[in-house]
Amino acid sequence: SAVISQKPSRDICQRGTSLTIQCQVDSQVTMMFWYRQQPGQSLTLIATANQGSEATYESGFVIDKFPISRPNLTFSTLTVSNMSPEDSSIYLCSVEGGRDGTDTQYFGPGTRLTVL
Amino acid sequence: GENVEQHPSTLSVQEGDSAVIKCTYSDSASNYFPWYKQELGKRPQLIIDIRSNVGEKKDQRIAVTLNKTAKHFSLHITETQPEDSAVYFCAASRSNYQLIWGAGTKLIIKP
Repeated sequence: SAVISQKPSRDICQRGTSLTIQCQVDSQVTMMFWYRQQPGQSLTLIATANQGSEATYESGFVIDKFPISRPNLTFSTLTVSNMSPEDSSIYLCSVEGGRDGTDTQYFGPGTRLTVL
Repeated sequence: GENVEQHPSTLSVQEGDSAVIKCTYSDSASNYFPWYKQELGKRPQLIIDIRSNVGEKKDQRIAVTLNKTAKHFSLHITETQPEDSAVYFCAASRSNYQLIWGAGTKLIIKP
């Protein structure tokens, strides 16, 4: 399976500011996904990021709030803009199978965000 | 819309006994059904998966069964051990490699 890293692992931010989360994969992958997970809850898909095209956002998530970049096949960023305490959550990136050629999703370690 | 229902939300079993978690999906086009285990503070980890052309798959103490007609699939863990304690998520595939997730089951193994 792919080796996935995320930066930062955690952060505490002030309301009104923005945070950019990075996701790096050790192999080329077509599909990357960004999720949000509240404590004790399931995973909520924010958007799907394909290299070379605009990210596709799920209902309830908009590009102005969560801009995503996907400059190449091994890297993506998610920005949480104009943060409020309601944005406090764990943000996870995942990738589809990559080098093992499957549609299985593998997850990064997550970014724990606290907004004061 | 598409959804995956997962039951129970919490399951407590005696160490050594079996545990079964059930999921039902709504999208007839779903053809891939993974199960993930998430320990506290960790990322979700794939533990087993099954595709729609297979009815059952086993890997040591864990197994998954799929009933396409009824649109449900189940995770079976035998001879449970303390390290099996975690939250388990089922998921069903949708278009564009995306997954629809169940709400999760907290599995507690009692010593």
